[in-house]
This record gives sequence, structure tokens and C-alpha cells, in this order.
Amino acid sequence: DTAVSQTPKYLVTQMGNDKSIKCEQNLGHDTMYWYKQDSKKFLKIMFSYNNKELIINETVPNRFSPKSPDKAHLNLHINSLELGDSAVYFCASSQAPTTEAFFGQGTRLTVV
Amino acid sequence: AQSVTQLDSQVPVFEEAPVELRCNYSSSVSVYLFWYVQYPNQGLQLLLKYLSGSTLVKGINGFEAEFNKSQTSFHLRKPSVHISDTAEYFCAVSQMGGSYIPTFGRGTSLIVHP
Repeated sequence: DTAVSQTPKYLVTQMGNDKSIKCEQNLGHDTMYWYKQDSKKFLKIMFSYNNKELIINETVPNRFSPKSPDKAHLNLHINSLELGDSAVYFCASSQAPTTEAFFGQGTRLTVV
Repeated sequence: AQSVTQLDSQVPVFEEAPVELRCNYSSSVSVYLFWYVQYPNQGLQLLLKYLSGSTLVKGINGFEAEFNKSQTSFHLRKPSVHISDTAEYFCAVSQMGGSYIPTFGRGTSLIVHP
């Protein structure tokens, strides 16, 4: 069983479109994250979310929004896509006190 | 606030040679430390972690790291690398008692040549 799964794996779309990436974890973790990895492999935290608190990286444009229907899911919605949004997006989850994060396989988003 | 510096963006090495990937951090409070590996077109996978106790931590695939509080370092080592170790390696830190949002270094690309 895949611990953290995200769909789709690849997403190609035009500028201005709205898209969503889905993430599910079956580890029973309370906290989930979205990271953006740019072309230079730099990992940037976008959101951290648990059933009590959403922490947003203030540098993330408000075109990006996380939606959590339940504890096991954290989807990423992106409105009005721009060329600069092209990147690999990773979902992850963790459960204190072990604290390490478990990552999905990533979604490669290409905006054309 | 916390930060992580990986001093080398790329480390080329020959197969069966030893390797050290350097990581330094800064934090005003005690931290947890991690090394992750990312193989091409895959997600990140935990190699090892330091939470407390012994400063020498052993991980998967023969890797180990040593926590040095005075030098605020957590360098990753392997005595003999394989071609299959070619990957991107990330050091990460999170603050004890915080809301746990890990900060990642910029990554070090380990390239193992035959």
C-alpha cells in the first residue's frame, strides 16, 4: 500500500486555467503538507495543515489554496495558473513525536 | 527561525570511495535533524534522523551522520559509495516543541562515477 499518494503524476495545462492536485495518506497522520520543488531542486514549504491549524507560507500567492475534506486528504487548488507555477509539487505527512515526513511521488505541473 | 545550509551543491565521487555531504544549521532552540534522499523522478525518502541520545546516527543504505552541537553541524557520511547512491540529498531541521514545519537545505547532488 502506498503511504502518501498524489494524483495526477503529470499535469500539463494552459495559462489561466484552474487545476487541482489530490493527496491522500493512509498513515493516520495528523499533519499534512504541500511543498513546491523548483527546477533547481529547491524545496519550499507552501502549507502545513492539521485538524486544528493551517499554517501558510506568506510568500505563497493566494491563487493557491489547500482543501482538506478529512484528516487523510489534503488537496491543492490553483487558480489562474501562470508559467512560473511550473514545478514539481509534493504532498507529505507526519505524526509527532517521530516527526519525520513521508512524501508522495510528486506531481509535475507544466504550464504552457 | 531556523535555517539549513548545505555547503556543496554537487559532489562527484568515484565508486567505492568514501563521501561526506555537509550540513550546517542555525536555530535559537534545540532541533531535530534529518537527511532525506531523492532518486530521479521520485519523492523524498528518509535516510536517517537525530532526535536525541547518541550523536552518531545510522541510517539506511550504509549511511550515517554525526550531530555536532558546538559546530551546529549534521554531516552525512558513507565509507564506500555505489553507483546506485547517485541522487539528491537534503538536510532538514525542525524545532523541538514547535509546530513542526521542517526547513530543508537546497540539496546536494551526489554523483557517483564508475
